[in-house]
Amino acid sequence: ETGVTQSPTHLIKTRGQQVTLRCSSQSGHNTVSWYQQALGQGPQFIFQYYREEENGRGNFPPRFSGLQFPNYSSELNVNALELDDSALYLCASSSGLARLNEQFFGPGTRLTVL
Amino acid sequence: GENVEQHPSTLSVQEGDSAVIKCTYSDSASNYFPWYKQELGKRPQLIIDIRSNVGEKKDQRIAVTLNKTAKHFSLHITETQPEDSAVYFCAAYDTGNQFYFGTGTSLTVIP
Repeated sequence: ETGVTQSPTHLIKTRGQQVTLRCSSQSGHNTVSWYQQALGQGPQFIFQYYREEENGRGNFPPRFSGLQFPNYSSELNVNALELDDSALYLCASSSGLARLNEQFFGPGTRLTVL
Repeated sequence: GENVEQHPSTLSVQEGDSAVIKCTYSDSASNYFPWYKQELGKRPQLIIDIRSNVGEKKDQRIAVTLNKTAKHFSLHITETQPEDSAVYFCAAYDTGNQFYFGTGTSLTVIP
């Protein structure tokens, strides 16, 4: 059984660019949630995908979008990057909705926007 | 939306002492309250959780209590050890399928 993996590990972009982050869920998990963690802060919930459908969204603008694929891996896309988007982006997977099942976090992608 | 506040932001205890971290939430409909431990440079890991139909839960040296009336929940760590040093986050899950995390408590256990 493999754990949650994310790619890339680090990424540097400039303001206005677009970025795609990827997450492979743990084997047997059908739910992926994405979080943004600024330095010294708690994770902020972006959205959750359950069986390829968005199922819950936090207070993030529409330029944050996502996808979940039939194999339950997921992508987070951020358009028109802003300096404040610099953060650690975490994904977490669970075997069902996150409020009912333990979430397992990936190692994160560190995004720096210059 | 939900608002989760966590206190204290930093906590230092002597090895063997107890540590208590408190969180309050605003949405009375929130029904799931996990606690995560995040060591420096590592991913958050669930250490204990509690649901709204339970008042207390214990797992070895770790316990969580929930007061639904007052809308607060607390993490209790007894007989602290140096390896307990980390940042601890509380979270609340509301009926809108959203997680809200606290701002974290940096716990240092002094040998």
